Amino acid sequence: GAVVSQHPSRVICKSGTSVKIECRSLDFQATTMFWYRQFPKQSLMLMATSNEGSKATYEQGVEKDKFLINHASLTLSTLTVTSAHPEDSSFYICSARGTGVLTDTQYFGPGTRLTVL
Amino acid sequence: GEDVEQSLFLSVREGDSSVINCTYTDSSSTYLYWYKQEPGAGLQLLTYIFSNMDMKQDQRLTVLLNKKDKHLSLRIADTQTGDSAIYFCAEMGAAGNKLTFGGGTRVLVKP
Repeated sequence: GAVVSQHPSRVICKSGTSVKIECRSLDFQATTMFWYRQFPKQSLMLMATSNEGSKATYEQGVEKDKFLINHASLTLSTLTVTSAHPEDSSFYICSARGTGVLTDTQYFGPGTRLTVL
Repeated sequence: GEDVEQSLFLSVREGDSSVINCTYTDSSSTYLYWYKQEPGAGLQLLTYIFSNMDMKQDQRLTVLLNKKDKHLSLRIADTQTGDSAIYFCAEMGAAGNKLTFGGGTRVLVKP
């Protein structure tokens, strides 16, 4: 139980284009989803927290107009990197917590590696 | 803000025990977690402990918590080559809305 998937697992795009990453909870309802960014050999940096049906709460320094987050259902959240630039290249990981699983525990997806050329 | 610290690297021989240490600053932590990350993958929840517990054992994994010293450890018994990975400790504060992660400890298991 408590499986979280991400799609795509890997994406390469040209500078200036937008990329959408999906995060799904497969066997539980995710009331809250989190989006993280991880640079090589570093820890996870929380970008934003989204509750189903509400606007996302962004961490300090994260541009909300650049990283658009939608959490329209209890099983799906999307992160759209708009007008991507090479400095946006990173490993993006989502996590989810919700009902029917360990209380307050975050379950992580497998990550999406974004490379912007 | 709250801080979580871990040593960077641990090398251990196959079959030996591994001990990964973590310290944190948040005195109001409610849950503490250990996650495992293999190359190119997401984080796998290994185990967790409530802040009012001292120890938790789950098969080869033993978690020790010293709340007074704000020190958390993960012991892996009979370490295998498949245990080679990065291990992150994380704590959740009383607000319960987000995790604070340590920098990760890279564990290398040598045959």
